Amino acid sequence: GDSVTQMEGPVTLSEEAFLTINCTYTATGYPSLFWYVQYPGEGLQLLLKATKADDKGSNKGFEATYRKETTSFHLEKGSVQVSDSAVYFCALSVDQGAQKLVFGQGTRLTINP
Amino acid sequence: NAGVTQTPKFRILKIGQSMTLQCAQDMNHNYMYWYRQDPGMGLKLIYYSVGAGITDKGEVPNGYNVSRSTTEDFPLRLELAAPSQTSVYFCASRPPFGRHYEQYFGPGTRLTVT
Repeated sequence: GDSVTQMEGPVTLSEEAFLTINCTYTATGYPSLFWYVQYPGEGLQLLLKATKADDKGSNKGFEATYRKETTSFHLEKGSVQVSDSAVYFCALSVDQGAQKLVFGQGTRLTINP
Repeated sequence: NAGVTQTPKFRILKIGQSMTLQCAQDMNHNYMYWYRQDPGMGLKLIYYSVGAGITDKGEVPNGYNVSRSTTEDFPLRLELAAPSQTSVYFCASRPPFGRHYEQYFGPGTRLTVT
């Protein structure tokens, strides 16, 4: 079946550090890929997405590139801020209609000032 | 717009009790979803709906029921609560603009079954 694997957390960084959160996937079809973010006490919000190979999704300084050859969608940010502290989820969808998301286990990120 | 709202925020149930988790959206979205999030795990899809009167099972539907009588509301029913249903439940909705469009999530309901 379809699955998403994220790097183990938690991840703790200092402000202005470079961030990478690894995400790899297994899919039976040609998936769309998403990163969602969950701030403390809130529901999930879409951070970025990519719908075909070599697409780069970007938002709020975060980027991720859809790599079909390595089945990966790693999240990066060049300089993190304290406000980036949250849980980050990688997800995929392969169905054509209902968009039934399959999520990774989430990576908790803490940024220290 | 209030977006996606969920009630209650917290609930403690005894084993065998029943309850309904409420979800409503005011964005006129066709698609609605119920997920559960267990500690340290990603979200898993319980049920989804593509429009009023149409529902279908997700990955983990056992022990739950849903209905969709209106576009706005998508309640989730637990009939005989079990400790394994202790989780955080999220409702989400999405417009029918294409399969890549984002899902909008509610703030969640934290349920404990003891």
